[in-house]
Amino acid sequence: EAGVAQSPRYKIIEKRQSVAFWCNPISGHATLYWYQQILGQGPKLLIQFQNNGVVDDSQLPKDRFSAERLKGVDSTLKIQPAKLEDSAVYLCASSLVLGRTDTQYFGPGTRLTVL
Amino acid sequence: DQQVKQNSPSLSVQEGRISILNCDYTNSMFDYFLWYKKYPAEGPTFLISISSIKDKNEDGRFTVFLNKSAKHLSLHIVPSQPGDSAVYFCAAPVGSGTYKYIFGTGTRLKVLA
Repeated sequence: EAGVAQSPRYKIIEKRQSVAFWCNPISGHATLYWYQQILGQGPKLLIQFQNNGVVDDSQLPKDRFSAERLKGVDSTLKIQPAKLEDSAVYLCASSLVLGRTDTQYFGPGTRLTVL
Repeated sequence: DQQVKQNSPSLSVQEGRISILNCDYTNSMFDYFLWYKKYPAEGPTFLISISSIKDKNEDGRFTVFLNKSAKHLSLHIVPSQPGDSAVYFCAAPVGSGTYKYIFGTGTRLKVLA
């Protein structure tokens, strides 16, 4: 079974530029998550989708971050414009359903550096 | 407000010995916990979980212990192997109806050969 795929793996941009990340979850997984992991911290949820609907985006800085999940499968996360403090690893995860004990499976992440 | 805390940023252990990684939580409503392992340049990988109806869960070399009265859980790795060198995160799902994980800050384990 293929895991969660993410691209690109690394991205370096100047502040105020825009950037987009792509995620393809495990086939059949209804729930998709985007996390931000800043160096030295644990992952922090940015947004959570159930199929193609948003169920939690309370931690997403909506003035600069946006995300969508097309047709309930792939998802993109965009930052526009980027700030220095957005430098982090962006992790995508998926789970079969949206249950408390449903294991989340993570992709390899995209490491973003904002200069 | 950090609801899940890992107070030891790093730990070094000799190969073959026991590794003990600790995690504390503040919310007594938490009733399910997970441990993830993360290698450099990879995403976190699920390792083991425990429900609050148990105080121990074992999977091969990995055992998680839960002390609800102390709001404390620990991950024991016996025997430790060099391949276990990674960052370990504890996490707890929070919410009602929709659930998100709250992660600790991680403990970097180094197993010395």
